[in-house]
Amino acid sequence: EDKVVQSPLSLVVHEGDTVTLNCSYEVTNFRSLLWYKQEKKAPTFLFMLTSSGIEKKSGRLSSILDKKELFSILNITATQTGDSAVYLCAANLYSGAGSYQLTFGKGTKLSVIP
Amino acid sequence: SAVISQKPSRDICQRGTSLTIQCQVDSQVTMMFWYRQQPGQSLTLIATANQGSEATYESGFVIDKFPISRPNLTFSTLTVSNMSPEDSSIYLCSAHLWEADTQYFGPGTRLTVL
Repeated sequence: EDKVVQSPLSLVVHEGDTVTLNCSYEVTNFRSLLWYKQEKKAPTFLFMLTSSGIEKKSGRLSSILDKKELFSILNITATQTGDSAVYLCAANLYSGAGSYQLTFGKGTKLSVIP
Repeated sequence: SAVISQKPSRDICQRGTSLTIQCQVDSQVTMMFWYRQQPGQSLTLIATANQGSEATYESGFVIDKFPISRPNLTFSTLTVSNMSPEDSSIYLCSAHLWEADTQYFGPGTRLTVL
């Protein structure tokens, strides 16, 4: 059974701290690893990672994938209260006949306090 | 990216009734997906909606309960039939964009069943 595990499940930090969110996966037909930020209802896309060791960066957020050890991390530096959200990791899998689907982890709830 | 809209954004329904949720994408896409997110949980894939063929349902979800239509490449509907309080969830549609090779999500529909 395909599985995506995120840790920690929740995290409380102070503004300015740096956080690292973890995602490990055990799946078949792996294609890519996606990170989303969910504040209210809709997950918003952050990163897609397909190759090991290549860091993706967007402002204070960065992410990297290790396809040998089957994990990814999402780093947020100099956290702000606006970073408070649930961060979702998803494995993009090839499901046959040209179709793809996402398997999500349970998410990490990040709370940034002033 | 894609702009995806959903209607309604929220609804409160009586037990035993049905609700149809609409999802509109601003560009043509091959694959659209419907997810459920129960309170405090991550996203669970209900089905993949493919234009021109029947939807593919995941384990635990059946067509009689969650009929899906996909009349064209920009639109899909999900009906939640014969609702019970256990159906209270956020329902999200997403679209897979080939050029970005990732999924983008609609704003979600928050359903409460009394």
